[in-house]
Amino acid sequence: EVQLVESGGGLVQPGRSMKLSCAASGFTFSSFPMAWVRQAPTKGLEWVATISTSGGSTYYRDSVKGRFTISRDNAKSTLYLQMNSLRSEDTATYYCTRVRLRRVHEGDYYVMDAWGQGASVTVSS
Amino acid sequence: DIQMTQSPSSMSVSLGDRVTITCRASQDIGNYLSWYQQKPEKSPKLMIYGATNLEDGVPSRFSGSRSGSDYSLTINSLESEDTGIYFCLQHKQYPPTFGAGTKLELK
Repeated sequence: EVQLVESGGGLVQPGRSMKLSCAASGFTFSSFPMAWVRQAPTKGLEWVATISTSGGSTYYRDSVKGRFTISRDNAKSTLYLQMNSLRSEDTATYYCTRVRLRRVHEGDYYVMDAWGQGASVTVSS
Repeated sequence: DIQMTQSPSSMSVSLGDRVTITCRASQDIGNYLSWYQQKPEKSPKLMIYGATNLEDGVPSRFSGSRSGSDYSLTINSLESEDTGIYFCLQHKQYPPTFGAGTKLELK
């Protein structure tokens, strides 16, 4: 069974740092790109960052570029999100997601097919 | 960024109803469109990918379709377990962007 378990959330002051972890099991972690998606309280979903299988390629939304770093340790089957210079608008539940290639007759699609239970991050003084 | 305009924002429905939710893309996204269901206090669940393909294990009463830049999720014969919030997601180009969500509630 595919499992993604986030940890490391909590309350943090504006301007400080926090690191989220996501422990993966039930699949070959190193074979899948991974991503973080967040959801502010009572709001919609917002993609944050994606990392390739090797970690050599990373992608970020503009609002976190230069402040957040996505990384992975394939030997430990763990995904990370280092968040620096946190702002109140970063307050959200952060989900770790697996990105899986689905091949169908009309094309290839990379989809976020498995999600963790989420880690709550509150940025407040 | 590509904007996904989702409608309606909420629906009050009855068991057995046929329900349709729509997302309109601000730019061409081809079939790079997925649908997710989210239950209260739960993480999203993939329902449809590639605009029309049913994810493994999702009931066949769910279907996806496309007409130009409009993408629809249809639930035939709604069951009580289908309530929740539904989001569309485009992943044609970075950044991937979600629709604002449609909350499905029973009357």
